[in-house]
Amino acid sequence: DVKVTQSSRYLVKRTGEKVFLECVQDMDHENMFWYRQDPGLGLRLIYFSYDVKMKEKGDIPEGYSVSREKKERFSLILESASTNQTSMYLCASSLAGRNNQPQHFGDGTRLSIL
Amino acid sequence: DQQVKQNSPSLSVQEGRISILNCDYTNSMFDYFLWYKKYPAEGPTFLISISSIKDKNEDGRFTVFLNKSAKHLSLHIVPSQPGDSAVYFCAASAVRSQGNLIFGKGTKLSVKP
Repeated sequence: DVKVTQSSRYLVKRTGEKVFLECVQDMDHENMFWYRQDPGLGLRLIYFSYDVKMKEKGDIPEGYSVSREKKERFSLILESASTNQTSMYLCASSLAGRNNQPQHFGDGTRLSIL
Repeated sequence: DQQVKQNSPSLSVQEGRISILNCDYTNSMFDYFLWYKKYPAEGPTFLISISSIKDKNEDGRFTVFLNKSAKHLSLHIVPSQPGDSAVYFCAASAVRSQGNLIFGKGTKLSVKP
C-alpha cells in the first residue's frame, strides 16, 4: 500500500511566521502535489513536482513556495503566514508517465494561523 | 471557470437504498475520471476510476458510469451503508496532463440508518 505521511496533523502558527509543512511518500512516486481544501471550494492545487528539484505552480501558488531535494520528500513553505492561509493542507503522490494513475493522499495538516 | 462540477453539495439517503452522486465536466480533453471519498480530518481515499474508452466500471458496491456525449459521470453505491457517509469528490485528468487532476467541489453524502 502507498503511504503518504504528513509530518503534522494539527499546527498552530502566528501571522508572519515562516511555516514548513513536510510530506514523505514511500512508493518511489515521481509526482507529488500540494493542495489546500476549504469548505465549499473543494481541493485547489498549490504546487506540484514531477521530479527532484523541479516544481510547477498550480492554481493558487501566491504566498507559498516548495522544495523537493529528494524524490520521497516534498515540502510546502508559507513564506510569511497570514490568516487567510488557515486551511487543511493535503499532500499527494502518483506514478509518472501517464495520466491514468490515481493520486494517493496523506491524512492532511489542519493549519491555523492566529 | 469550473471544469469539473458537482452541482449537489449534499445528498441524504436511507440505509440499504441506492446513492447516486453526479458530476459534469466541460473539457473534452479529459480521458480519465476518478472518485475519491473523504472523511473529516482525513485525506481523500481513492475509490474507483474509469477511462474514457469505457462507459461503466464496477467494484463491489460501487459503480461509475460515464456518458461522454453528455460529459457526465455518476457514482452509484448499492446498497448504501452508514459508513459511506462522507464527502465524495469527482476528479478528471486530461491527456498529456502528466497526472494532474481537476477536482469538483464535493458532495456530502449522509446515509441514515
